[in-house]
Amino acid sequence: DQQVKQNSPSLSVQEGRISILNCDYTNSMFDYFLWYKKYPAEGPTFLISISSIKDKNEDGRFTVFLNKSAKHLSLHIVPSQPGDSAVYFCAASGRIYNQGGKLIFGQGTELSVKP
Amino acid sequence: NAGVMQNPRHLVRRRGQEARLRCSPMKGHSHVYWYRQLPEEGLKFMVYLQKENIIDESGMPKERFSAEFPKEGPSILRIQQVVRGDSAAYFCASSPQGTALGEAFFGQGTRLTVV
Repeated sequence: DQQVKQNSPSLSVQEGRISILNCDYTNSMFDYFLWYKKYPAEGPTFLISISSIKDKNEDGRFTVFLNKSAKHLSLHIVPSQPGDSAVYFCAASGRIYNQGGKLIFGQGTELSVKP
Repeated sequence: NAGVMQNPRHLVRRRGQEARLRCSPMKGHSHVYWYRQLPEEGLKFMVYLQKENIIDESGMPKERFSAEFPKEGPSILRIQQVVRGDSAAYFCASSPQGTALGEAFFGQGTRLTVV
């Protein structure tokens, strides 16, 4: 039962353009969402998060949008840079769902930003 | 995420041996999580611990796997009688509070290879 889904395994974008990574979830009890970035042979690094009381959170080049009615969130990176090339994981958590414990991860989307 | 220390980084075990993976959380963090990443897959939750207590072990295989987070010392993930299917990257994460309230910080992982 995949509660958090990233349907695009890979995405290729030209340097300077916008990268949009998508994530869908099924459990309406999730109320906190995060994006992590992962390079090969390294651990995931936290990027940005959003609480379910918001629909947008911005941090520099990174913006996360949350559409609760559609159970969908997206990560926008603009402008994209070659150093952004990595695997991006969407994750969800829920204070009531699991006492604020585990993160449920999507399968990841591999972003390639071409110079 | 350099603050979460995992060792060893690489571990090779023969089938039937025991594997012990260690995780020292970031200073001040009392919540520890273990995740497993199989080849070509996302991160799967295994277990969530606080000092001396297992909070959620719903992702742990029923047999051969155990985890602890003692009052003193690192958290240990122990796999007894390893099989080839246990070959994966095992990541530890820590947080000062539950992940519904903030992000978790990951270590660089232990790559277990069972031969």
